[in-house]
Amino acid sequence: DVVMTQSPLSLPVTLGQPASISCKSSQSLVHSNGNTYLTWFQQRPGQSPRRLIYKVSNRDSGVPDRFSGSGSGADFTLQITRVEAEDVGLYYCMQGTIWPPTFGQGTKVEIK
Amino acid sequence: VQLVESGGGLVQPGGSLRLSCITSGFTFRDSWMAWVRQAPGRSLEWVANINTDGNTVYHVDSVKGRFSISRDNAKNSLYLQMNSLRADDSAVYFCATDPDFGALDSWGQGTLVSVSS
Repeated sequence: DVVMTQSPLSLPVTLGQPASISCKSSQSLVHSNGNTYLTWFQQRPGQSPRRLIYKVSNRDSGVPDRFSGSGSGADFTLQITRVEAEDVGLYYCMQGTIWPPTFGQGTKVEIK
Repeated sequence: VQLVESGGGLVQPGGSLRLSCITSGFTFRDSWMAWVRQAPGRSLEWVANINTDGNTVYHVDSVKGRFSISRDNAKNSLYLQMNSLRADDSAVYFCATDPDFGALDSWGQGTLVSVSS
């Protein structure tokens, strides 16, 4: 299975400051159809996961534009330009290019 | 879009449960669907997914032969039959829409399965 490795696993951030989460896969996530199926999810405390970003950099409707995704091949990043209190929670990357789909360990974002 | 799971509970090792996910607010019969689980304090784990007419299903190795995903498009419902349950199957089970290679865009609230004697 493809191993998804996130770092850091814990990310204390000051309100209004930027945050960055790295996600590296054990294999390239470029599909034979040319797409890269790398998705980012947010899970607030006590809630279900919510999709933020799909196919590396496509932001979902309703997701604030302070969230952005980037990367290629096997190296991806989720960035938050200015962290707000509502951003506290766990963030997961997930690959869907190679069966079975696999998730990263999760990164916990908290306010300092 | 709404997805509401049910059917979880406490079961002994070796027992069975059938999870249901009733959906509304979208065209269920046109949507691939998936089950994903999350053990307490752990990351997410893909369990199974199913195509629009139910004729193509995929299960991860850890549940293959024990779990079975199915759907009833007339009832806008997704199911997960779980047999031979083990302690490491204990988790919250989420159903989700699977529009494109696992990019799960809508999730239910989850149902808790606990396997213990």
